[in-house]
Parts: sequence; structure tokens; C-alpha cells
Amino acid sequence: GESVGLHLPTLSVQEGDNSIINCAYSNSASDYFIWYKQESGKGPQFIIDIRSNMDKRQGQRVTVLLNKTVKHLSLQIAATQPGDSAVYFCAENFMDTGRRALTFGSGTRLQVQP
Amino acid sequence: DAGVTQSPTHLIKTRGQQVTLRCSPISGHKSVSWYQQVLGQGPQFIFQYYEKEERGRGNFPDRFSARQFPNYSSELNVNALLLGDSALYLCASSIGTVGGQETQYFGPGTRLLVL
Repeated sequence: GESVGLHLPTLSVQEGDNSIINCAYSNSASDYFIWYKQESGKGPQFIIDIRSNMDKRQGQRVTVLLNKTVKHLSLQIAATQPGDSAVYFCAENFMDTGRRALTFGSGTRLQVQP
Repeated sequence: DAGVTQSPTHLIKTRGQQVTLRCSPISGHKSVSWYQQVLGQGPQFIFQYYEKEERGRGNFPDRFSARQFPNYSSELNVNALLLGDSALYLCASSIGTVGGQETQYFGPGTRLLVL
């Protein structure tokens, strides 16, 4: 079936630098996208979301960009901190026979070097 | 407010046994979804429930079943456990607007180990 995939399995950055995590999705019917952060031993934590009628959304230190033409999603983290170290998942969401399940990729591990 | 809670946190079973996992959604949320996360992979959708009715099911065998109670809590049951069922089982809750684009908030998960 269709799935969400990520370009880089591991991203290592220096503390204070900006991080960019990329994600490709394949279902053109997807109309809602969410980025989650998962720390070791914990459940995924909501970071930011974006609907398909938008191409950019900003939160606190995070920005999500959506390019529907090439089916690409990215998460930008400004001034990356050690506490940002985790696995990041993008998830796509679409209406399918009355349900809205999330389809996740395999994740990108972000390592922040002090 | 409390987030999504799940119990137990950890569980060890042997092949062939049955297991029941429990989830309490965020107060006010009417929809619960279950996901399986195998080590090193993203969560995979198992079930979604809304107002006690199954709204959707992922590509999992009939050994997996679930239900939702009047208070919107939910149970996931897995029968005839296999080694491959070892995973982190995640519960997510959402408000439950029909057809809505809504955020799913995850609990801490139950880590199941099948020996």
C-alpha cells in the first residue's frame, strides 16, 4: 500500500544549528500531515501539523513546509537543542471509508552534538 | 489534564497465550486508535473506534480485536500470540469529529514481549 517515507535515517547536528528533516509521501489524497517526536521508551509526541490547503506553518522553533507538487514535507527546527534529540516521524492522514488512520514512515533519528 | 493512559506498561507472555491491553483517552475525546510499533519502525495502524463502533481496521489478522466502552476507554486483545507480536502497542485518542482532520495524541504505550 501507499506509505510515507523519509530520506535520511539519521541526522547529526551541532547544538545551536538549524535542523531540517525531510519526508516524502505518496498518497495524493492525503490532506492532513503531522510531525511527531518520539523519545526512547515514550509514545509519539505531537509537534506540529499542517493541512493540505497550506504550504507553511510555524510553531515555536519549528516550521513545517508542504510541497504538494512533489509530495514532500519537511520539518525545520531552529537553534537545535540537546533536548531535541529523538526520532522524528511524519504521518499522513486521509479519509478512507469513514476512518482517518495515520500512516507513518520509519522515522529519522536526530542527534544533537553539544 | 491527564493525557492518554495505557496499562500495563510492560508485559511478558509466551507463544499461544492471550493478552489484553487497556487505554483511557484524554477527557472529552471520543475516538481511540490502536497502533503497533515494531522496534526501528514507525507505528502501524491496527484499529480505530468512535462511539463504541469500529470505524476502521488495518492489515492485521483476526487474532487482533478491540472494543470501546461507554466511557470511551478501549481494550485491545491479541489471541494466540506469536513471537512477531512483540512490539510497543500505542493508543491514540482524538476528539472524534466525523471525517475531521484532527490530531491524534498518543499514550506511552505498552511494551509486549512474547517468548
